[in-house]
Amino acid sequence: DAGVIQSPRHEVTEMGQEVTLRCKPISGHDYLFWYRQTMMRGLELLIYFNNNVPIDDSGMPEDRFSAKMPNASFSTLKIQPSEPRDSAVYFCASIKQGVGNTIYFGEGSWLTVV
Amino acid sequence: KNQVEQSPQSLIILEGKNCTLQCNYTVSPFSNLRWYKQDTGRGPVSLTIMTFSENTKSNGRYTATLDADTKQSSLHITASQLSDSASYICVVRSSGGSNYKLTFGKGTLLTVNP
Repeated sequence: DAGVIQSPRHEVTEMGQEVTLRCKPISGHDYLFWYRQTMMRGLELLIYFNNNVPIDDSGMPEDRFSAKMPNASFSTLKIQPSEPRDSAVYFCASIKQGVGNTIYFGEGSWLTVV
Repeated sequence: KNQVEQSPQSLIILEGKNCTLQCNYTVSPFSNLRWYKQDTGRGPVSLTIMTFSENTKSNGRYTATLDADTKQSSLHITASQLSDSASYICVVRSSGGSNYKLTFGKGTLLTVNP
């Protein structure tokens, strides 16, 4: 399996622009997570889905952030409009429910908003 | 409030030496505890996962311990190698049906010098 695939790996955008991050989870996994990582705050959960349904979006910072999972093999995280404080690494992760199963992370999308 | 505290924040050791990283948590109810290794510029990769009944689990030169009574875990690295240089993140899952809330520590940054 190719693992969790994220795109783009790096993005530099200007403040106010829309940013869309994409994720393809591992086939067969029924949970998908979006995390944000910064030096100051570490890894923070933004939102997670179970069987394509959003379960907990309490970590989404504000209305500028939205996430969708239209099918089991694709999810997007959108920031509109972007701000410099959104600069961070955004990770997508997936897992198949089961005792002892491992959460697999993608390689991250490095976002810089200038 | 669920919290995971890791110590030390950073550690520098010489190649070939052993080291131990600490994790204290206040997550309740407890489901499992995971240690992840994150190389610079990469996504976290699982090293071990431990449930309530497990005291020790090894993965090659990595050995994790768990004391559920004191809510402490440690990760011991034996005969360190340059490739062990990374951030090591302790992650605790709280139990509760399909709830998949994880609490992340901020990580210990390990540098192994030749």
